[in-house]
Amino acid sequence: RKEVEQDPGPFNVPEGATVAFNCTYSNSASQSFFWYRQDCRKEPKLLMSVYSSGNEDGRFTAQLNRASQYISLLIRDSKLSDSATYLCVVNATFGNEKLTFGTGTRLTIIP
Amino acid sequence: GAVVSQHPSWVICKSGTSVKIECRSLDFQATTMFWYRQFPKQSLMLMATSNEGSKATYEQGVEKDKFLINHASLTLSTLTVTSAHPEDSSFYICSATYLLAGSHNEQFFGPGTRLTVL
Repeated sequence: RKEVEQDPGPFNVPEGATVAFNCTYSNSASQSFFWYRQDCRKEPKLLMSVYSSGNEDGRFTAQLNRASQYISLLIRDSKLSDSATYLCVVNATFGNEKLTFGTGTRLTIIP
Repeated sequence: GAVVSQHPSWVICKSGTSVKIECRSLDFQATTMFWYRQFPKQSLMLMATSNEGSKATYEQGVEKDKFLINHASLTLSTLTVTSAHPEDSSFYICSATYLLAGSHNEQFFGPGTRLTVL
């Protein structure tokens, strides 16, 4: 089983729609969770950290369910500029910087 | 925000040659730098963790004699792909972090180096 699993997509979503991604992780001791965004042929960029209480940043909402070991990302009122690959990222040990990346979910927003 | 640069941004080389990639933290001193590799449509895979002044820690399956890492200062790490072969063609990305006590430290990624071995 992969350490971090994501549906690779692609998700093709009309502009203005709401889209949600899920991600599961295998290590129950994982400490920190993130969503990164990666544009084609570019480096990943941190979109947001994910906290147990859930957190929101504008149109983006992230949730963590430790009991079920999954993380979600919700994008509301999607924009054309949201088209990218979204990477679920897990840090297994607090104080250890090693990150484990999912394969990413590809999102295309359609005008 | 913190800026990490990589050089070169792309390189094409002949099979059997060695290629050096530089990773620099421009506006902060990085306690740790990481080297990743990403093949098309695949995830970023950590190759090694590098701390200034000490030997790099390589992930399982990564040949340390093939992928030489030198971390000479708190702002510079280099990855040398020795005797490169076509299967080494990939997108190599570095990241850097600095220590903030009591919290997870964000990794700042370089723009990546696209290596093509002919």
